[in-house]
Amino acid sequence: QVQLVQSGAEVKKPGASVKVSCKASGYTFTGYYMHWVRQAPGQGLEWMGRINPNSGGTNYARKFQGRVTMTRDTSINTAFMELSRLRSDDTAIYYCARGAPAGPDYWGQGLQVTVSS
Amino acid sequence: QAGLAQPPSVSKGLRQTATLTCTGNSNNVGNQGAAWLQQHQGHPPKFLSHSDNSRPSGMSERFSTSRSGNTASLTITGLQPEDEADYYCSAWDSSLSARVFGGGTKVTVL
Repeated sequence: QVQLVQSGAEVKKPGASVKVSCKASGYTFTGYYMHWVRQAPGQGLEWMGRINPNSGGTNYARKFQGRVTMTRDTSINTAFMELSRLRSDDTAIYYCARGAPAGPDYWGQGLQVTVSS
Repeated sequence: QAGLAQPPSVSKGLRQTATLTCTGNSNNVGNQGAAWLQQHQGHPPKFLSHSDNSRPSGMSERFSTSRSGNTASLTITGLQPEDEADYYCSAWDSSLSARVFGGGTKVTVL
């Protein structure tokens, strides 16, 4: 069965960077895009970008360009998302989601990133 | 980036029918349709269906999707208490090369 398992919660200070991971299993990792989506407290879903695990090619939301870097390691079926220059409004739950043609069909459990001084 | 338009809330009685809408433009919903996601409080989103596809296996028959032009719809018939959740639509925007989301609709079953 398809599973996306994300790394644990993070607490960071403003200005720092955070790198989170998403380990995929149950399907061919290189066959599907991996999307990153975040959700601030009490807010809706916000798309951050996606990576093609096969080529490593990325698309980032305009809002995050210059601050986000998405990478992958195909040897361990894991996608990574690094967000730099963290601010308090980056406090959110961060999800990875498999990108099927019909849409993001499997989601990780989410991980809490808290930015606080 | 411009998102998709969804009504913030819908309230219906038990066993009634709720129809949720999601309006975009010709670069997103009108071009490639929209995916529908359900999110219960404290849980990750769950993929329900795509507006242009038949109901996936495992999806309740009470949920159905459709699209007309730039508007996608999700209809929930025979509302049950467990249907109380936030529902999001999402589409790939070919002009932005980005995935866009609606703001979500909170469904309340009275």
